[in-house]
Amino acid sequence: GEEVAQTPKHLVRGEGQKAKLYCAPIKGHSYVFWYQQVLKNEFKFLISFQNENVFDETGMPKERFSAKCLPNSPCSLEIQATKLEDSAVYFCASTRDRGTGELFFGEGSRLTVL
Amino acid sequence: RKEVEQDPGPFNVPEGATVAFNCTYSNSASQSFFWYRQDCRKEPKLLMSVYSSGNEDGRFTAQLNRASQYISLLIRDSKLSDSATYLCVVNIPTGGFKTIFGAGTRLFVKA
Repeated sequence: GEEVAQTPKHLVRGEGQKAKLYCAPIKGHSYVFWYQQVLKNEFKFLISFQNENVFDETGMPKERFSAKCLPNSPCSLEIQATKLEDSAVYFCASTRDRGTGELFFGEGSRLTVL
Repeated sequence: RKEVEQDPGPFNVPEGATVAFNCTYSNSASQSFFWYRQDCRKEPKLLMSVYSSGNEDGRFTAQLNRASQYISLLIRDSKLSDSATYLCVVNIPTGGFKTIFGAGTRLFVKA
């Protein structure tokens, strides 16, 4: 597609429930990034992929967060056993060229954990 | 110390004013630099890349000072529509590469 498509736009979960977010990058973009933006505007890098391979996962809280980018499927970010502090907007971005390329963002998925 | 630091503001300026934002980065290996704009919790969009020689795009001028490790954005003749959060973004080639966002500087332009 011509834009990064994220679903769902809004997701509400009770504490301890699972949340799964999806991202379809722009066609032809090899790199996919996930960011978490909480209320104070801080963008926290979570993970990046080069095609289906994890490129950098240094930002992932590995005990509850996992992510995949499988061929011919949207990328996904899954949070097991959500906590209140997971409430945030999760942005996915894609780019064709690492390092120098513009990141194109999806509209984000707002997760609210009650 | 954060890898990318910005003054969060807010900057409140009248229409027509000139306003400047600075951003500092801590990793001297940082490779490429950008300013993104984010409106009201929407997705960030690229405003401009920042080149070593400095670059200008209409009312916007970006500068990079590698020796002091800071980036600046100058907005001349501010418009109401410039009201947004401006995010400083740095690419760091550690391992693969990492794109780090500053926390953003909030700008309000008033009539």
